[in-house]
Amino acid sequence: AQRVTQPEKLLSVFKGAPVELKCNYSYSGSPELFWYVQYSRQRLQLLLRHISRESIKGFTADLNKGETSFHLKKPFAQEEDSAMYYCALRRYGGSQGNLIFGKGTKLSVKP
Amino acid sequence: NAGVMQNPRHLVRRRGQEARLRCSPMKGHSHVYWYRQLPEEGLKFMVYLQKENIIDESGMPKERFSAEFPKEGPSILRIQQVVRGDSAAYFCASSPPGSGGSYNEQFFGPGTRLTVL
Repeated sequence: AQRVTQPEKLLSVFKGAPVELKCNYSYSGSPELFWYVQYSRQRLQLLLRHISRESIKGFTADLNKGETSFHLKKPFAQEEDSAMYYCALRRYGGSQGNLIFGKGTKLSVKP
Repeated sequence: NAGVMQNPRHLVRRRGQEARLRCSPMKGHSHVYWYRQLPEEGLKFMVYLQKENIIDESGMPKERFSAEFPKEGPSILRIQQVVRGDSAAYFCASSPPGSGGSYNEQFFGPGTRLTVL
C-alpha cells in the first residue's frame, strides 16, 4: 500500500539551529515526492519537489530510494519557518490528482 | 488572480441534512481536486475532476458523497445525510491542464470546515 509517514507530530528548535523534518514513504514503483507548507492562517502551498532538486527558502530535500526517505532539511532555522509541513507522494506518471499526504509535522522555531 | 475560492468557510449541519461545498478554481485552471482532512490526520484525496468529467474518484466514499464540475460555475462536493464522522476540513485544489502525466502544481483553497451536530 502507498503510504507517507511523518514520525514527528511536533518539532521544536531554536533560531539558528539546524532542522530536519523526516518523511518516509512506502511505494513499490517510481514516486514523485513533494513537501507542502502551511503557514499560520495561510493556504497550503508547494514548497519543493524532488524532481526540481532546488533549494527553496533555504530548504532542501533529497530522495533516498534505498531508505525510502525524503527528509526536509535547513541548516539554520528562522522564526518565519514556523509552520505545518506535509510530505506528499504521487505515482510518477499516474493520476495528477492522486497525492498521498503524511499527517504533517508542526515546526516551531523559538527565538 | 484571487486564487482558489471555497465557500462557505464554515458549515454547520445536523445529522441527516445535506452539505454542499463549493470550489471556484483559479482562472485558467480546468482541473479540480477535493481532499478531506480529519482531525489529527493528513489530507486524503477524494476526487479529481475536469470540466464535466470525473477523472478519478478512487478516494470517494461509495455512498452519500458526490462531486461535479459543470461547464459553467464552481465545482460542488455534495454530502447527503451527513453523519458526525463527516466532520472535517474539506480542501479544494486546482491546476492548469497537464501533459503526458507530468505534474502540474496544485493550488489549494482555504478549505471548508464542516461540523456535523
